[in-house]
Amino acid sequence: LAKTTQPISMDSYEGQEVNITCSHNNIATNDYITWYQQFPSQGPRFIIQGYKTKVTNEVASLFIPADRKSSTLSLPRVSLSDTAVYYCLVVVPGNQGGKLIFGQGTELSVKP
Amino acid sequence: GAVVSQHPSWVICKSGTSVKIECRSLDFQATTMFWYRQFPKQSLMLMATSNEGSKATYEQGVEKDKFLINHASLTLSTLTVTSAHPEDSSFYICSAYYLPGRRGFGQGTRLTVV
Repeated sequence: LAKTTQPISMDSYEGQEVNITCSHNNIATNDYITWYQQFPSQGPRFIIQGYKTKVTNEVASLFIPADRKSSTLSLPRVSLSDTAVYYCLVVVPGNQGGKLIFGQGTELSVKP
Repeated sequence: GAVVSQHPSWVICKSGTSVKIECRSLDFQATTMFWYRQFPKQSLMLMATSNEGSKATYEQGVEKDKFLINHASLTLSTLTVTSAHPEDSSFYICSAYYLPGRRGFGQGTRLTVV
């Protein structure tokens, strides 16, 4: 499993766009990049997943360069409720028994 | 879809007693479930992989006799913390596979051993 590295913490203000970058230099050819969000005292929640280029859904965008050694989660116009820990994971699709190993995550603090 | 429910949400028990935590997949069948433990201000640590109808696979350093896992059906896995001690106090989270590369997570169980 590829190891991921992301900033430990980030601060932002309401209404700003937040970009969290994750490094995964040893990502394998078939691996996907997945991001989860976790609020205090709750289980993680799936945000977005991608393989290459750009993926967008109703809550975020995921940018993956051609070499796939990094990825950037983009949260548009954050609000106070986006304060949470964000985890970047590299996963093997199609493997039900595949483990999800969480790194340290990025603690995002959104201020008014 | 992909709703995973844990019960209880929190529990307080006396040192030396056992506590059972249930994890259910509500709208899908989960042949594989995962149990994590999370201490304050730390990331999730994988404890074990629970396979329906077979023995669980434990991560290195996790005592299988202390953390008993049973996955008797396609929608239920249980984690029993036996002879709990204060150092077992933690946030326990279960997870289940539902789509390629994706997992549903329970809301977590806060265990406090006094």
